[in-house]
Amino acid sequence: DGGITQSPKYLFRKEGQNVTLSCEQNLNHDAMYWYRQDPGQGLRLIYYSQIVNDFQKGDIAEGYSVSREKKESFPLTVTSAQKNPTAFYLCASSSPVEGSNQPQHFGDGTRLSIL
Amino acid sequence: GQSLEQPSEVTAVEGAIVQINCTYQTSGFYGLSWYQQHDGGAPTFLSYNALDGLEETGRFSSFLSRSDSYGYLLLQELQMKDSASYFCAVRDRNFNKFYFGSGTKLNVKP
Repeated sequence: DGGITQSPKYLFRKEGQNVTLSCEQNLNHDAMYWYRQDPGQGLRLIYYSQIVNDFQKGDIAEGYSVSREKKESFPLTVTSAQKNPTAFYLCASSSPVEGSNQPQHFGDGTRLSIL
Repeated sequence: GQSLEQPSEVTAVEGAIVQINCTYQTSGFYGLSWYQQHDGGAPTFLSYNALDGLEETGRFSSFLSRSDSYGYLLLQELQMKDSASYFCAVRDRNFNKFYFGSGTKLNVKP
């Protein structure tokens, strides 16, 4: 079955540490996205990528970095510059705009906490 | 930019019908989508409206009025398992980005 796999499910970060969240998809989708969700809140876009080797900042990119070296993979690094990283992180993918009724497919998320 | 407004919380009883509204401001979009998210889980796609009117999928229906920048999700024959948060979302025409509302928490009571 096709889908999106995020790992790990839970992650703990120490002060001054960078951590990387994995996101892999086998849906053959060109576009991939990272969202942050705080308790009781909606989804805020961190970064997105429409094609391999290209990505754009979302609304809350500060303190985060990404790469898109392969179509299937879009890892997110939470750097030490992100002072409040505790949140639920969701990775998603979607088909090109031409199929505009195509929804986003989400992974099961990674819950990041500070030690 | 884009902004979406939806009520923060709605409560209804099992078997009832509930409507969750969403108003949006956008510079151009492909349509309005709805997602369901249970506590601790990932959002799952429910429905999509590109054109004005009603789309029905089982117990769930979604409506869009582009002239009013308004849509709603209608849930019929509510079940306890429908207790979740519901998000409306628009897809930006220019940048293939999705914008989400802050979500409506639906509480279904016996």
